[in-house]
Amino acid sequence: AQSVTQLDSQVPVFEEAPVELRCNYSSSVSVYLFWYVQYPNQGLQLLLKYLSGSTLVKGINGFEAEFNKSQTSFHLRKPSVHISDTAEYFCAVSRYSSNTGKLIFGQGTTLQVKP
Amino acid sequence: EAGVTQSPTHLIKTRGQQATLRCSPISGHTSVYWYQQALGLGLQFLLWYDEGEERNRGNFPPRFSGRQFPNYSSELNVNALELEDSALYLCASSLEDRAPKNTEAFFGQGTRLTVV
Repeated sequence: AQSVTQLDSQVPVFEEAPVELRCNYSSSVSVYLFWYVQYPNQGLQLLLKYLSGSTLVKGINGFEAEFNKSQTSFHLRKPSVHISDTAEYFCAVSRYSSNTGKLIFGQGTTLQVKP
Repeated sequence: EAGVTQSPTHLIKTRGQQATLRCSPISGHTSVYWYQQALGLGLQFLLWYDEGEERNRGNFPPRFSGRQFPNYSSELNVNALELEDSALYLCASSLEDRAPKNTEAFFGQGTRLTVV
């Protein structure tokens, strides 16, 4: 079975500061990795995904993440955040051999960007 | 191009009643997934439909059921509603998982179900 742990439930940060949202996963099989963002009262939007290849993945809105197989981590980073980045962020995995719509999500991290 | 659409956006039901939630996938997508986002429980996989058949279900009781229609739209039915069924129900769609492998699920805005 797979599981995902997002290490911080809330991350407060000032505007234009860098941010890292941490995600660790556990799986006995190869997985795909995803980060989704959820703005208030909305559905989920894909930020970025790791399927294979380069371990540094770039996504939308200036976000990037690095896959570290030895540490089973997939941390999300942004060098300079904006007020509009305030949202809930979810890390997720799917089994390599499974349909990538069947996702196991972490509990989510609330990013609070302060002016 | 229209995204995944869900209806209704809000639904209020009484305990013991039945709720029906609807989802229209992105055109060309054959797989539909349902997730429950309940307060304190996070996002949990409910059901996966593809080509009209249920392919997989999460750890939910049988009173959570659904179906997929020939046009690939889907319904989620929740019978004998309980207070703890109150949640945001999200639908997602993707291309069916054949080579080349499907790589992304697109989510709708959700249906907020409140059971009173």
